[in-house]
Amino acid sequence: GENVEQHPSTLSVQEGDSAVIKCTYSDSASNYFPWYKQELGKRPQLIIDIRSNVGEKKDQRIAVTLNKTAKHFSLHITETQPEDSAVYFCAAGTYKYIFGTGTRLKVLA
Amino acid sequence: NAGVTQTPKFQVLKTGQSMTLQCAQDMNHEYMSWYRQDPGMGLRLIHYSVGAGITDQGEVPNGYNVSRSTTEDFPLRLLSAAPSQTSVYFCASSTSGTGSTGNTIYFGEGSWLTVV
Repeated sequence: GENVEQHPSTLSVQEGDSAVIKCTYSDSASNYFPWYKQELGKRPQLIIDIRSNVGEKKDQRIAVTLNKTAKHFSLHITETQPEDSAVYFCAAGTYKYIFGTGTRLKVLA
Repeated sequence: NAGVTQTPKFQVLKTGQSMTLQCAQDMNHEYMSWYRQDPGMGLRLIHYSVGAGITDQGEVPNGYNVSRSTTEDFPLRLLSAAPSQTSVYFCASSTSGTGSTGNTIYFGEGSWLTVV
């Protein structure tokens, strides 16, 4: 069946450094690739997304890149801040979305 | 516009009991899904629907039933609760990929279920 792999599972960075989280997916029909941030006890919140006809998208300190040939997409956070500390999830699909297992990001002040 | 509404927010069940988690959306979305999230884990797809009258299994469907009689509602039924079903359940909806909000997945606030 469809699968989304996410790495790393935990990531610690110094405040101001960059963080990169990577995902690979198996379903070549996938055309939508969102990234979610989840804080403890809360529902996932969309932070950025990309569609299959676009290779890169940027929103202030957050960017996402997509390589459809390799079935690979990545989240890049620059100038990290303590409030970026959370769990981040990637997902892939069309109307049926499979999520990665999550990355716990810790930004050290 | 309430978005995706889930009830109840918290529930404790005894092993073997059945219950239904309710989910409703007011955005006229055709796609709806149920996910479970175990502590410290990711979201796993239980069942999904692409429209009224159409449902299909996700990654972890065993022990759960769904139906979609209307566009707005997508209830999840636990047939005979087991401790392994202790989890947080999220209902989600989305629409097709046209417009600025196309594909965007909207989540309910979650339902915390404990089976003892």
